[in-house]
Amino acid sequence: EPEVTQTPSHQVTQMGQEVILRCVPISNHLYFYWYRQILGQKVEFLVSFYNNEISEKSEIFDDQFSVERPDGSNFTLKIRSTKLEDSAMYFCASSRMEGSYGYTFGSGTRLTVV
Amino acid sequence: AQKVTQAQTEISVVEKEDVTLDCVYETRDTTYYLFWYKQPPSGELVFLIRRNSFDEQNEISGRYSWNFQKSTSSFNFTITASQVVDSAVYFCALSDSGYSTLTFGKGTMLLVSP
Repeated sequence: EPEVTQTPSHQVTQMGQEVILRCVPISNHLYFYWYRQILGQKVEFLVSFYNNEISEKSEIFDDQFSVERPDGSNFTLKIRSTKLEDSAMYFCASSRMEGSYGYTFGSGTRLTVV
Repeated sequence: AQKVTQAQTEISVVEKEDVTLDCVYETRDTTYYLFWYKQPPSGELVFLIRRNSFDEQNEISGRYSWNFQKSTSSFNFTITASQVVDSAVYFCALSDSGYSTLTFGKGTMLLVSP
């Protein structure tokens, strides 16, 4: 069964450093998403991406965040200058049609900011 | 605005007991989609079911069943004859038609002991 692949599975970074989280969506999917889950809390929407541009973003997704699909297969989330409160599990997801049909989530990247 | 409420924070049962996880949602749309996801201790999000607002038929899949009632805005999930492998956090989520984002509840942690 096709999978969404996220790397790395765990990343530790120092406060103030830039970090890039990587995702390889399912190949024939057109919509891409990032979600965040602070430890023990609910999963929250960050951003959706379609046709090489952001289609929706939440209040969480401020200027510190950016997304990119640099080469037609990878989908990345960059956090420019990490803060302690950015520590969370970050999930990438993709879907063939718009989101209400359901996504396939990746297994997540646990980001720890120290 | 959309909202999903999972009032049960944690449920503990003994193996072979039946257990029901509650989900209550709020939306102004007449067309919407409801989902359940399972998050085992390993952290990934596993899709369990999607249901659209026009389909109120209950669904059964093996030991899992779902009861969708529009009159009470509820989409409850029952596990019959629970097993230790069912131990996980279960999230209910909602998506309005035409939008990409999923709004998650806070999750219910289910602990099944032998």
